[in-house]
Amino acid sequence: SYVLSAPLSVSVAPGQTASITCEGDKIGRKVVHWYQQKTGQAPLLVVYDDRIRPSEIPDRFSGSKSETTATLTISRVEAEDEADYYCQVWDSSSDYLYVFGSGTKVTVL
Amino acid sequence: QLQLQESGPGLVRVSETLSLTCSVFGGSVSRNSHYWVWIRQPPGKGLEWMGSVYYSGTTYYSPSFKGRITMSIDTSKDQFSLMLTSASAADTASYFCVRQFAYGARFDYWGPGAFVTVS
Repeated sequence: SYVLSAPLSVSVAPGQTASITCEGDKIGRKVVHWYQQKTGQAPLLVVYDDRIRPSEIPDRFSGSKSETTATLTISRVEAEDEADYYCQVWDSSSDYLYVFGSGTKVTVL
Repeated sequence: QLQLQESGPGLVRVSETLSLTCSVFGGSVSRNSHYWVWIRQPPGKGLEWMGSVYYSGTTYYSPSFKGRITMSIDTSKDQFSLMLTSASAADTASYFCVRQFAYGARFDYWGPGAFVTVS
């Protein structure tokens, strides 16, 4: 089945920029979604279709993608951004269909 | 605003069947194109897609659960359900019911989650 690789953790100071990467085989050919999960809460969609932000998500969150790597960027990081972040794709070639990355813990210093 | 809410026993005995229901408020499970999904998360671990159901009753299951999982949908009640047989300690997890915007698309609305202990 398809595998998405992401760093275990990212640390960032308030006001700085955090970049969370997600790698997978030919990920450039897939559509990537990103979810934020704060402790004890359900995940929240923060970016979909590689780079589209739901209306309620601050414009500090942005998504991008190359042939090999998808990236979620959080600009002007705030304390409230501390959470786990998951990338996710649809693997139409597999019965496993929907694959999540292992998750990246973003710590705001 | 669409809301989803999981319900069911928080404790299931080993070898028995884990059953959860998701109630959908502020919308209809019969709406064309949306899929209804169960995703689980063991304590301290990541997210795992379990399966999806369409209002027509069409289902897709992860191979990780095939043979043990059944999903169903009740359009008259705007509910969908999960049954997982032969539960083991490895099934202890938070279970989220989720709306999927369309087949292959994003998971855009999530329930708060129901934690189920198998013991």
